[in-house]
Amino acid sequence: GESVGLHLPTLSVQEGDNSIINCAYSNSASDYFIWYKQESGKGPQFIIDIRSNMDKRQGQRVTVLLNKTVKHLSLQIAATQPGDSAVYFCAENMGNTPLVFGKGTRLSVIA
Amino acid sequence: SAVISQKPSRDICQRGTSLTIQCQVDSQVTMMFWYRQQPGQSLTLIATANQGSEATYESGFVIDKFPISRPNLTFSTLTVSNMSPEDSSIYLCSVVGATNYGYTFGSGTRLTVV
Repeated sequence: GESVGLHLPTLSVQEGDNSIINCAYSNSASDYFIWYKQESGKGPQFIIDIRSNMDKRQGQRVTVLLNKTVKHLSLQIAATQPGDSAVYFCAENMGNTPLVFGKGTRLSVIA
Repeated sequence: SAVISQKPSRDICQRGTSLTIQCQVDSQVTMMFWYRQQPGQSLTLIATANQGSEATYESGFVIDKFPISRPNLTFSTLTVSNMSPEDSSIYLCSVVGATNYGYTFGSGTRLTVV
């Protein structure tokens, strides 16, 4: 399939280690944030979301942290697996407005 | 979350021609959006597809180049008109359900203009 994220920053992680992907967002009024995973040839897949009244939310093997003071969002993936290799995007919005996407990070898992 | 069927999944088109991309959702949704993802880039919003009225376009995108229809709450089309090689991208449909959470994306249309 067509490659996605050829020119994006890359994070290389050993299989089994934890991954941390960071995102700086721009709009201090944003109140909803989502992390997406995009594999080559596919559309973005929802991973986890968080609202601005929270600073942490956990899912299965994933945790999202929100620091509104510095407008920073992070995605933590525990025990990273080869299937986690993909491009990860953060997205933000306010109210019913469309999502605005960050630049993305390519996660490469080394077996 | 909603299930989106986006067609075609890919196409190779001659410059100067037009391509219409379809987005069909399996349930009624409140909002539908069209995004473009250029090679190696993030997603950029083209427009919000409004049911029964003209779409709302983002800066840099115009109706003559990217006409959009949304005749009902489950279907929308995006046309890429008078194509040039610079239009080669992935075009993605996105929807939001009644809760306004969990924005879902289609699998995308990979367009190559030659």
